Amino acid sequence: KQEVTQIPAALSVPEGENLVLNCSFTDSAIYNLQWFRQDPGKGLTSLLLIQSSQREQTSGRLNASLDKSSGRSTLYIAASQPGDSATYLCATWAGAGSYQLTFGKGTKLSVIP
Amino acid sequence: EPEVTQTPSHQVTQMGQEVILRCVPISNHLYFYWYRQILGQKVEFLVSFYNNEISEKSEIFDDQFSVERPDGSNFTLKIRSTKLEDSAMYFCASSQNNEQFFGPGTRLTVL
Repeated sequence: KQEVTQIPAALSVPEGENLVLNCSFTDSAIYNLQWFRQDPGKGLTSLLLIQSSQREQTSGRLNASLDKSSGRSTLYIAASQPGDSATYLCATWAGAGSYQLTFGKGTKLSVIP
Repeated sequence: EPEVTQTPSHQVTQMGQEVILRCVPISNHLYFYWYRQILGQKVEFLVSFYNNEISEKSEIFDDQFSVERPDGSNFTLKIRSTKLEDSAMYFCASSQNNEQFFGPGTRLTVL
């Protein structure tokens, strides 16, 4: 059974700092990995999708990498802003007839002005 | 930009009552999902739906739960007899090309 872990559980950084959020998963036979942002009491906003054939994806100040062999993904946020404060979730999709996403518990990011 | 919508945003019910949570997926998507998130815990998969039938369900999705696509736009989750432990945020999602898009959620409170 896939287990997804995100470390740290919480992170506080000053505005402008670059930062890395980590995601690890136990079963490397994934089809893709998706990063989400969740604001308090709100839904999940898809940030980046990395297909199994890709090693990274970029969107604006966000860059996500995927290393299936080591069971790891990282989300890099450049020049952090207070508006980046949220919980960041990663989720894996096994494919091969399975449709469910398996989520980590998230990293709660606070960017201090 | 197209988005998944859910109603109501908050539902309060008495234990043992039936509730129906409603979702309108993105219009050209073919796959639909329900997830839930108990306060402070991970988002958990409940069920996926494709071509008018359940394609996968988790252990959580027992006989108390059912899903339906009653027309061309709505997708519903019914809980027949709610329990206290059903209190959670329920998210609907839809996908077309592997990327899942989530709605804002319905907060269900069972008293």
